[in-house]
Amino acid sequence: GENVEQHPSTLSVQEGDSAVIKCTYSDSASNYFPWYKQELGKGPQLIIDIRSNVGEKKDQRIAVTLNKTAKHFSLHITETQPEDSAVYFCAASMAVKAAGNKLTFGGGTRVLVKP
Amino acid sequence: DSGVTQTPKHLITATGQRVTLRCSPRSGDLSVYWYQQSLDQGLQFLIQYYNGEERAKGNILERFSAQQFPDLHSELNLSSLELGDSALYFCASSVATGGRSPDTQYFGPGTRLTVL
Repeated sequence: GENVEQHPSTLSVQEGDSAVIKCTYSDSASNYFPWYKQELGKGPQLIIDIRSNVGEKKDQRIAVTLNKTAKHFSLHITETQPEDSAVYFCAASMAVKAAGNKLTFGGGTRVLVKP
Repeated sequence: DSGVTQTPKHLITATGQRVTLRCSPRSGDLSVYWYQQSLDQGLQFLIQYYNGEERAKGNILERFSAQQFPDLHSELNLSSLELGDSALYFCASSVATGGRSPDTQYFGPGTRLTVL
């Protein structure tokens, strides 16, 4: 089955700096890659996603890049703010007709933005 | 707020007991997914239902079962509970299943289960 590796496990940045989180996946059939942010005591919240027909996607301070050949994708947060402090999860999924589309998650990255 | 609701928020019970976790999907979503989040295993997919039918199974123990009702809400039943079942249980929902690319999944706030 699919395996997703996520690095680093913890990331400390100064407010205003950029943060980059990297993930690799094992199954070349995966074609959907969402990123979730989880704050303490809350459920994962989708912040951005990318599908395999797109190499890069941007939404304000957040961007995701996908390299299908190397089977890796990355989350970039620019101009970090204290409210960006949270645990971030990458995930991978594929559409398998009549067999569902479960998400396989990376291990998570705890991001701390220091004021 | 994702629009996915889960009850109860917290559940404390003893080993050997049985509990039921409830999930209501976003309005219009036909698929419901259950995930378990523990410190040692991370976020793991348990099971998916689509319009009342089981669609995919993950690392779900035989002591666990789920169903989706005609009104599309879902329940996850956990029986013969063990200490190791203590975890956060999340429900997610999406519009539909299948197609060329998976649907976006929206997560609920979770149920924290503590087994003593």
